[in-house]
Amino acid sequence: AQKVTQAQTEISVVEKEDVTLDCVYETRDTTYYLFWYKQPPSGELVFLIRRNSFDEQNEISGRYSWNFQKSTSSFNFTITASQVVDSAVYFCALSENLNDYKLSFGAGTTVTVRA
Amino acid sequence: NAGVTQTPKFRVLKTGQSMTLLCAQDMNHEYMYWYRQDPGMGLRLIHYSVGEGTTAKGEVPDGYNVSRLKKQNFLLGLESAAPSQTSVYFCASSYRLEWIADSPLHFGNGTRLTVT
Repeated sequence: AQKVTQAQTEISVVEKEDVTLDCVYETRDTTYYLFWYKQPPSGELVFLIRRNSFDEQNEISGRYSWNFQKSTSSFNFTITASQVVDSAVYFCALSENLNDYKLSFGAGTTVTVRA
Repeated sequence: NAGVTQTPKFRVLKTGQSMTLLCAQDMNHEYMYWYRQDPGMGLRLIHYSVGEGTTAKGEVPDGYNVSRLKKQNFLLGLESAAPSQTSVYFCASSYRLEWIADSPLHFGNGTRLTVT
């Protein structure tokens, strides 16, 4: 069963528009970690954020913000005032086991920001 | 400041050939992982290791073998390559107690493998 679902396959926006990426996860554990990674066209994986299950505070980092809601098992990611450099594939991931750090990734959402 | 280095970056194999992908990290990390990335499927864990001399199966281990003879190296082997193994392979590493810090899994830049 898919543990992390990113229902949006592709999103295309014009520069300066806001874009929200959805992430819904599934777990029976009460303690878990959620992540977002960015994969630009160059192919490397860039860590964006880690969120613990016991910390539901939303987080903002520059133009990036994250909305974690345990009640709906969602960890959504918003890019405000998007820029062409934000064009990338974005992955949401879940880790349930605190002993070995294995990540279950969603299928990814491709974001294209047009000038 | 190398981090996680994967060798080679690209490779083309014919069906039935064998090869080994090398992952080397210079951060003294205990844990190492091999993932494969396929379109529309995200990254899936193949094998992982929680320490030198130990390995374990991940989500999609069939057709692959691994070895961790030295702490800094994690090798991924394909004994008889199949077209279904055409993918981009990522190696990653982390400290054992990474949970306490905010530092994440450290990924290599990937190896693009094509099996014809």
